[in-house]
Amino acid sequence: AQSVTQLGSHVSVSEGALVLLRCNYSSSVPPYLFWYVQYPNQGLQLLLKYTSAATLVKGINGFEAEFKKSETSFHLTKPSAHMSDAAEYFCAVSDGGATNKLIFGTGTLLAVQP
Amino acid sequence: GAGVSQTPSNKVTEKGKYVELRCDPISGHTALYWYRQSLGQGPEFLIYFQGTGAADDSGLPNDRFFAVRPEGSVSTLKIQRTERGDSAVYLCASSTGQGGVQFFGPGTRLTVL
Repeated sequence: AQSVTQLGSHVSVSEGALVLLRCNYSSSVPPYLFWYVQYPNQGLQLLLKYTSAATLVKGINGFEAEFKKSETSFHLTKPSAHMSDAAEYFCAVSDGGATNKLIFGTGTLLAVQP
Repeated sequence: GAGVSQTPSNKVTEKGKYVELRCDPISGHTALYWYRQSLGQGPEFLIYFQGTGAADDSGLPNDRFFAVRPEGSVSTLKIQRTERGDSAVYLCASSTGQGGVQFFGPGTRLTVL
């Protein structure tokens, strides 16, 4: 069975500071990993995905994530936070199999302080 | 050109009533997913369609929940005898097929009084 754990339901950073959102996964097969962002009253938007190519994945809006198999982690980072980054972020895992359904973490709400 | 759309955006109903939630996927996407997002939680998988058939309905919580996709495009999620615990945001996603990125709609917020 696959699962995702997101440490920290709320994270607050200052504008311009480093953003680090943590995600650990559990999977019995090589995982496909995703980060989605959800702005208020909007649908989930894909930030980036890992599908067994390069371990450092670059996404939209300056975000990137590194797949570390030894740590079963896929943490999301951004060097410098913008006010517009305030949103909820979800990490998800899929086995890439016939269904390709996503298993989501509980989300991390990012606040950016001026 | 348009993304995934869902109607209605909000639905308020009374306990015991029947509701239908509609999803219009991106044109040409053969795969369609329904998820449910309860307050403070991540989305949870309900059902997956490949074309017209439900290829995986393992996430449906009980037999009050049913979904159809008769022509391989629009899908309807049907909930009978609604309960207060059914209150959640119901999300629809579509993709080009196996392994494709899922694109999500804005969701339908269901409130059961």
